[in-house]
Amino acid sequence: GQNIDQPTEMTATEGAIVQINCTYQTSGFNGLFWYQQHAGEAPTFLSYNVLDGLEEKGRFSSFLSRSKGYSYLLLKELQMKDSASYLCAVIPPLSGGYNKLIFGAGTRLAVHP
Amino acid sequence: KAGVTQTPRYLIKTRGQQVTLSCSPISGHRSVSWYQQTPGQGLQFLFEYFSETQRNKGNFPGRFSGRQFSNSRSEMNVSTLELGDSALYLCASSRDGTPNTEAFFGQGTRLTVV
Repeated sequence: GQNIDQPTEMTATEGAIVQINCTYQTSGFNGLFWYQQHAGEAPTFLSYNVLDGLEEKGRFSSFLSRSKGYSYLLLKELQMKDSASYLCAVIPPLSGGYNKLIFGAGTRLAVHP
Repeated sequence: KAGVTQTPRYLIKTRGQQVTLSCSPISGHRSVSWYQQTPGQGLQFLFEYFSETQRNKGNFPGRFSGRQFSNSRSEMNVSTLELGDSALYLCASSRDGTPNTEAFFGQGTRLTVV
């Protein structure tokens, strides 16, 4: 099975950097996604990692270590609009496969002035 | 291009009734997945359809069912509604559902069972 852990809540200051961690235990692995979800809205795609290392996309970066079952999302130059829930999701083994995402409970980030 | 469209946006039903939710994927997308989102359980996978065939199923009772039409539009049905079925139901579409393709979510249907 899959077990995905994220912190429930985090707070940070506008302009700062925040790192949201995600650990997972899974019997197999086909990749990890990060999604952002503002209250009352649909989740929107942020990043996808399947190989170890850092993927950078503007102010957002995502890191993956498959051997450690660990990922983090790094948000730089925080803005008030970054206040949202951040969802970590893994893709289980191919038997569970295509477009089936197992989500963590999400991390609610509050950015303060 | 138009995004993923879910209808209706809001729905109130009574225990024991059934409900049908609709999802129109992005044009050209053939994979549609459904998720249930509740405050306590987060986002949970229901099922995924591709080319009118169910390829994956989550751990939900048989009261939850779905189908996909030849134009890739999908519906999910919940029969004999229970209070615990109150949730936001999200669908996501992707081009072919392979792991490295991005899934785009619709705005969801908020179902309240009273």
